Amino acid sequence: DGGITQSPKYLFRKEGQNVTLSCEQNLNHDAMYWYRQDPGQGLRLIYYSQIVNDFQKGDIAEGYSVSREKKESFPLTVTSAQKNPTAFYLCASRTTGGVGELFFGEGSRLTVL
Amino acid sequence: GESVGLHLPTLSVQEGDNSIINCAYSNSASDYFIWYKQESGKGPQFIIDIRSNMDKRQGQRVTVLLNKTVKHLSLQIAATQPGDSAVYFCAENNNNNDMRFGAGTRLTVKP
Repeated sequence: DGGITQSPKYLFRKEGQNVTLSCEQNLNHDAMYWYRQDPGQGLRLIYYSQIVNDFQKGDIAEGYSVSREKKESFPLTVTSAQKNPTAFYLCASRTTGGVGELFFGEGSRLTVL
Repeated sequence: GESVGLHLPTLSVQEGDNSIINCAYSNSASDYFIWYKQESGKGPQFIIDIRSNMDKRQGQRVTVLLNKTVKHLSLQIAATQPGDSAVYFCAENNNNNDMRFGAGTRLTVKP
């Protein structure tokens, strides 16, 4: 089945450690997105990519990094520079052109101990 | 700051009643809007979308209204059911093709 897969679903990290969240899609979508969601809050855009080997910062990119070496994959690294990384992270994809729904993964919940 | 926001953070309705969830946006150049439903611990799911050249679009039990004059979007759910209980987000497509979301409205349906 076509879809978007995030892993791991739950992740615990010690302060000062980097962690990478995986996002893979087999929908043949060009555009991919990472959002952060805090409890009782909306989704805030971290990074997005509209094509392979290109990506743009969203509203809260500080402390995060991404890569887009393959069309299917858009991993997010939460670095030690992110001061408050505990959150629910959502990856999404869609076709380009500015129209069309975002397809979301099931999310990754990161907890910093 | 966020360019998309919601008027009410929570909404409680009786089963069978109609629900109306509101959203304000600030970017007059936004050309496409989507409503999403998110259940606890899951990713958002698409409900309905509307382009800026339309003012109304209907789906199954849902209607989205767009008022570009006052930059307002609403989602109407007819005959609300317990399964409709969730958080609802509106999202707008900016001219950079990044989708921005509002804070969400939690809809609770009372039996």
